[in-house]
Amino acid sequence: GAGVSQTPSNKVTEKGKYVELRCDPISGHTALYWYRQSLGQGPEFLIYFQGTGAADDSGLPNDRFFAVRPEGSVSTLKIQRTERGDSAVYLCASSSAEGGTYNEQFFGPGTRLTVL
Amino acid sequence: LAKTTQPISMDSYEGQEVNITCSHNNIATNDYITWYQQFPSQGPRFIIQGYKTKVTNEVASLFIPADRKSSTLSLPRVSLSDTAVYYCLVGDPPTSGTYKYIFGTGTRLKVLA
Repeated sequence: GAGVSQTPSNKVTEKGKYVELRCDPISGHTALYWYRQSLGQGPEFLIYFQGTGAADDSGLPNDRFFAVRPEGSVSTLKIQRTERGDSAVYLCASSSAEGGTYNEQFFGPGTRLTVL
Repeated sequence: LAKTTQPISMDSYEGQEVNITCSHNNIATNDYITWYQQFPSQGPRFIIQGYKTKVTNEVASLFIPADRKSSTLSLPRVSLSDTAVYYCLVGDPPTSGTYKYIFGTGTRLKVLA
């Protein structure tokens, strides 16, 4: 079946611009996560949705970052007034969170954001 | 969430068994240990998860001693395609509701021909 998809795969923008990154989770997965990964580092947690609500947004670095998931499926990560330090690969993951032994998170390929 | 420590890099040869050890001295009672694999330009992929003793699946084994302060991922007979970064994660995914994984820098495994 289809995995997690993210669009665009690459995004180049200028400092100060606004960007939106989209994530399509696996159908039926109620939990959705956003991570950010810089070169040579592991993914850094940003925000976690359970259904439509943000269950944990403690990883968002500042108020320029915002994410929504209005219908409990597709999610959009929004970054205002982008800065060069926002350049990274933004990863989305989803999981069923329906119990069971473990919460396996299925990751998408990521969106590479470059802020010039 | 417990902090994890793992070697930055490892080299191995095709056909060998590779063991990657992760330290998690502050692991909590409810924490599970999970390993992910990441290839370049891809998102991480789940390998294995365990709570104690030994867990084995079709790709790896996970050894966890009684004190659970460390764990070892064992990859049998590695091939060139196992070259990747391996992350050890500690968290309480099934019951806490936070589902927040903290990734470290991982171990870069390079398999040589």
